[in-house]
Amino acid sequence: DTGVSQDPRHKITKRGQNVTFRCDPISEHNRLYWYRQTLGQGPEFLTYFQNEAQLEKSRLLSDRFSAERPKGSFSTLEIQRTEQGDSAMYLCASSPWGRDTDTQYFGPGTRLTVL
Amino acid sequence: GENVEQHPSTLSVQEGDSAVIKCTYSDSASNYFPWYKQELGKRPQLIIDIRSNVGEKKDQRIAVTLNKTAKHFSLHITETQPEDSAVYFCAADSIAKLTGGGNKLTFGTGTQLKVEL
Repeated sequence: DTGVSQDPRHKITKRGQNVTFRCDPISEHNRLYWYRQTLGQGPEFLTYFQNEAQLEKSRLLSDRFSAERPKGSFSTLEIQRTEQGDSAMYLCASSPWGRDTDTQYFGPGTRLTVL
Repeated sequence: GENVEQHPSTLSVQEGDSAVIKCTYSDSASNYFPWYKQELGKRPQLIIDIRSNVGEKKDQRIAVTLNKTAKHFSLHITETQPEDSAVYFCAADSIAKLTGGGNKLTFGTGTQLKVEL
């Protein structure tokens, strides 16, 4: 499968614990996005990388959230001191440089459940 | 901020009938309008998109129309099949392209389409 991949697919944690998710974009896609999707809603933008630079962050991204893309390839999203309200599907998407740069390809997501 | 409204929230059709899902957006500077299909527990998959320089685009049984003046766009699925059953999301890009040329998408709340035999 050469699409966007995410790991883990499911994560159950207790409130107050830290969790980290990984996203591997499509090879050579230089733009990478994180979205959050709650039940019955569409994805909501969290943050965006161009290569290794994090260029935009949503107000949804509290200071407990941090994202990195150290070498401009895979990205990690860490949530510290998780809260029950963090329970959601965390989706990653990537898009290419050049033609059709608007098109975003999504990964399967990481479903987070905070108990 | 940007807002995208999507209707209906649920849609049930008989196999072979057509289905239409409508979206409106608030940002007059939006230029890109994708539609995603999401099956239960799976990733959103792009099924069709349209850019503001065209009014209609078709791909086999799927078509999208765009009215920039009225700020609405619609998804049309003809000859529906049971495998079309899924949640469909519309989206629009934001007024300000993200720094570096990235594209923030604002999504509608989704339409649960059920195609009945």
